[in-house]
Amino acid sequence: GQNIDQPTEMTATEGAIVQINCTYQTSGFNGLFWYQQHAGEAPTFLSYNVLDGLEEKGRFSSFLSRSKGYSYLLLKELQMKDSASYLCAVYSGAGSYQLTFGKGTKLSVIP
Amino acid sequence: DSGVTQTPKHLITATGQRVTLRCSPRSGDLSVYWYQQSLDQGLQFLIQYYNGEERAKGNILERFSAQQFPDLHSELNLSSLELGDSALYFCASSPGWGGSEKLFFGSGTQLSVL
Repeated sequence: GQNIDQPTEMTATEGAIVQINCTYQTSGFNGLFWYQQHAGEAPTFLSYNVLDGLEEKGRFSSFLSRSKGYSYLLLKELQMKDSASYLCAVYSGAGSYQLTFGKGTKLSVIP
Repeated sequence: DSGVTQTPKHLITATGQRVTLRCSPRSGDLSVYWYQQSLDQGLQFLIQYYNGEERAKGNILERFSAQQFPDLHSELNLSSLELGDSALYFCASSPGWGGSEKLFFGSGTQLSVL
């Protein structure tokens, strides 16, 4: 089976940096995604990692270590609009690949 | 706007009933995915169709079924509804069969079973 773990909630201050961790156990790993979801809205794509290392995109960066089954999403210069849930998702499988989401980390940005 | 259209936005029904949720993918996308999101379980993968054929299946209950039509729109049928089926149902689409492709999600159908 597949298991994806993320912290349930985090709080950070506007202008600060926050790191959201994700660990996974899966077979047939074939990529890791991060999505952002504001309350009551659809998830939207943030980043994709398939090789080890850091991918940077503006204020957001994502890191992957396949040997450790570990990823993190780094958000810099936090803004109030970054208050949302951040979903780690792993594309994996054996024969029948599927994108499996973690339960998400609810980030609250405070002034 | 992701370009993925889901109808209806809200659905209220009673236990034991049957409902149909509809999804139109982005123009040109061949894959459609269905996900169920509840407060305690997060986003749960139900099923994926690619160009009319079932491609991957998640933890979809036998009471649930789906199909993708020749015009690529998809329907998710939920029958013998139970209170626990109350959730937000998302449809997503992607150009190909998946893999490294990002998914584009519709705004969801909020199902309330009373």
